[in-house]
Amino acid sequence: SAVISQKPSRDICQRGTSLTIQCQVDSQVTMMFWYRQQPGQSLTLIATANQGSEATYESGFVIDKFPISRPNLTFSTLTVSNMSPEDSSIYLCSANKGGGYNEQFFGPGTRLTVL
Amino acid sequence: SQQGEEDPQALSIQEGENATMNCSYKTSINNLQWYRQNSGRGLVHLILIRSNEREKHSGRLRVTLDTSKKSSSLLITASRAADTASYFCATDAPGNTPLVFGKGTRLSVIA
Repeated sequence: SAVISQKPSRDICQRGTSLTIQCQVDSQVTMMFWYRQQPGQSLTLIATANQGSEATYESGFVIDKFPISRPNLTFSTLTVSNMSPEDSSIYLCSANKGGGYNEQFFGPGTRLTVL
Repeated sequence: SQQGEEDPQALSIQEGENATMNCSYKTSINNLQWYRQNSGRGLVHLILIRSNEREKHSGRLRVTLDTSKKSSSLLITASRAADTASYFCATDAPGNTPLVFGKGTRLSVIA
């Protein structure tokens, strides 16, 4: 298994500002992902964070709005840029160790409120 | 688009009863996983079942998978108030793809 931590756990931000969320895994993992969970909804994949290369974004999500870094096999960041109230969500980091089994673990999430 | 669809959307039962949640999906999968999410918190991984498996158990949890019907069920036996949470199924396709989640079932266990 993998233990995933996220910082901050929650934040309240003003419209137009940006927030960077950090994700740390306690062991090296092959794949890291970022999800968004809007209030009362399920999880939607934002992007796959690729180590050493640009992230792979899902339809509806763009790098200018959600820049992602992954400098090594245990760490990734997601920035929510130029925030609006519609960005108020829980943002979750996830990882799996690959090898075909694909058991995927999640961090505790970052609850973001944009005023 | 989301792959899984859970049924029912909400379920309320008495403590001690069994709870059954169903998940249907649309395309071929590699694995199907069930997660629990307590209100506003992160996801807890419950069980992974591979496409070539039909049933798995973990404590009070039993998961079945019917690939011919593209469906799975999660059974929680002898439910407890602490089982109150949202439960999600998630699938991945062959090739180590990221998980795609269903809409979830909100389970309430009344003491």
